[in-house]
Amino acid sequence: AQKITQTQPGMFVQEKEAVTLDCTYDTSDPSYGLFWYKQPSSGEMIFLIYQGSYDQQNATEGRYSLNFQPARKSANLVISASQLGDSAMYFCAMRHNNAGNMLTFGGGTRLMVKP
Amino acid sequence: ETGVTQTPRHLVMGMTNKKSLKCEQHLGHNAMYWYKQSAKKPLELMFVYSLEERVENNSVPSRFSPECPNSSHLFLHLHTLQPEDSALYLCASSPGAGGRYNEQFFGPGTRLTVL
Repeated sequence: AQKITQTQPGMFVQEKEAVTLDCTYDTSDPSYGLFWYKQPSSGEMIFLIYQGSYDQQNATEGRYSLNFQPARKSANLVISASQLGDSAMYFCAMRHNNAGNMLTFGGGTRLMVKP
Repeated sequence: ETGVTQTPRHLVMGMTNKKSLKCEQHLGHNAMYWYKQSAKKPLELMFVYSLEERVENNSVPSRFSPECPNSSHLFLHLHTLQPEDSALYLCASSPGAGGRYNEQFFGPGTRLTVL
């Protein structure tokens, strides 16, 4: 069975600094996809970044980058130059490519950016 | 409207009531999903529809009944719920139910409280 673990229930970061949110996963399948979503207090899940298990390079999207280490089964999200608007819940999710498009989510990390 | 919309945004109901949650996507997607997000628990997939056919039901109690009349609309019919069913119910859609990079787009959710 797939499992996603986010070990940091809450984190603080100073505005303009970088922060890393941890995500580890467990799967025996070599083909999978990893997603990060942001959930502000409004409730909507906002897609941030995607990493495929066969992708040669780590994914980047603006201030977001994914530190993908398949040997360690980790896919940590790095947010550079934190902004106050980055304060939210962040969820890591995995899609097992042989099981359609169904996602398994981690428990989330609450990020709080301090001015 | 654009994206994925959900109505109502907030719902309070008694255990004997019958109500329905509505989700509509304006993205031309073929797959739609219902998720349940309870406090202190990971996001749980409830139902998946692909081209209006149900492809996944993660052992959800029968008091939750989904309906997908077309690829743009998804309903969740509720009856005789329990207080532990109080949660944020999120709807999502994606271009398909398979494929390599098949991002799910989420709606804002319905905050359900069962008294």
